[in-house]
This record gives sequence, structure tokens and C-alpha cells, in this order.
Amino acid sequence: KAGVTQTPRYLIKTRGQQVTLSCSPISGHRSVSWYQQTPGQGLQFLFEYFSETQRNKGNFPGRFSGRQFSNSRSEMNVSTLELGDSALYLCASDPGQGNNEQFFGPGTRLTVL
Amino acid sequence: LAKTTQPISMDSYEGQEVNITCSHNNIATNDYITWYQQFPSQGPRFIIQGYKTKVTNEVASLFIPADRKSSTLSLPRVSLSDTAVYYCLVGASFSGGYNKLIFGAGTRLAVHP
Repeated sequence: KAGVTQTPRYLIKTRGQQVTLSCSPISGHRSVSWYQQTPGQGLQFLFEYFSETQRNKGNFPGRFSGRQFSNSRSEMNVSTLELGDSALYLCASDPGQGNNEQFFGPGTRLTVL
Repeated sequence: LAKTTQPISMDSYEGQEVNITCSHNNIATNDYITWYQQFPSQGPRFIIQGYKTKVTNEVASLFIPADRKSSTLSLPRVSLSDTAVYYCLVGASFSGGYNKLIFGAGTRLAVHP
């Protein structure tokens, strides 16, 4: 089975711009979660999507949003980028029935200048 | 979700057994204990999960005492490739099946030749 894939792997943007990151889960997995990892704050949960619905959300501002498509692929969007949004954005998938091992993708490294 | 406390860093040598202990005094009755491993610039990887007593797989063992207020990840005969950050998570059994992993700071393990 192919693993979780994320595109792009690297991205450079400037302040004020917006960005869209993409995640393709493992085939058959219906849950996709997004995390932000920075040296200062560590790994933080952004949100989780299941069957095209956001069913859990972390403590991030509304500039961070996401969606999930009928094929379980997910995108996250960050609008009005700030320098502090520079981070590794990780996507994880699992079957979606709770208490499951989450499989992480390699991440997208976003740099905001 | 229960908070976890684990050592910030540990050093070991190739061939030794490494034990990383995690404290989770406020663990709830239905909480599981899960350990993830993360290499630089990669997503975390599931290592092992348990509820009580001892769990062993091809990679590690997890020891959980009867009171479940702590757990110990045991890595037998480590090699240089085991150098990574190890995260202990509690609360992986999510109410309603919602998936939200809460990562602490993790333990940075350095294996020396």
C-alpha cells in the first residue's frame, strides 16, 4: 500500500500571501488529520476531517482552514501568512474508527519570508 | 486528555537497551498509551500502543504498571539508526472516535557508536 503523500514538499511564500497544501491518505483511510510542527511549539494538532466533515479542531486562528474531498484527499489552507506560520505541516491518516494508529506523511516545509 | 512528562534527552551506545519512562498521573480509565518515533524532517511513526501490563512487538516493548500512572518504552540493543525523538501520548482512545493526538516535547535519544 502506498503511504500518505503530501504536496508540495517545500514551499516559500511571503507575508500576506495564502497557501494551500495537499494530502492524499492511505487508500481506504477515511480520517485525515493535520498538524503543525515548529521548534518552539512542537507538534500541534490543527484539525481532523472524516467523511468530508471537520470533526475535531485544535486551537488555531481562523486563518487556518481545511477541507476533505469525497475520495478522502484533504487540503489545508492558510490565509494572510505570517512569519510565525513557517513550520513543517504534517498530515496523518487512519481508518477513522478511533483508537487507531495514525500514519504520517513526510510533511510540507513552509517558509514564510 | 492526560498530560505526559518524559525526559528531554537521553544518550546511549550501540547495542545497549534503552528505557524511556513517561509519567501520566492523570490518565483516564479508557485512555491508551501510545509511543511514536520521529526522525528529523519526517513525520512521526507509530511504535507501540498498550493499555496495561506488557506489550511487545518486533520493534519495542511497553511496560505499564498496575496503576497506569507511568509507562516505559524499552528499545532492545539500539543502533545508530534509533537516534530520534520519542513521544509518549496518552488518550489515544478518543471519545466518539475523533482523532486528535496531543504530542508533548518528546525525548531526544542520541545513540553513539
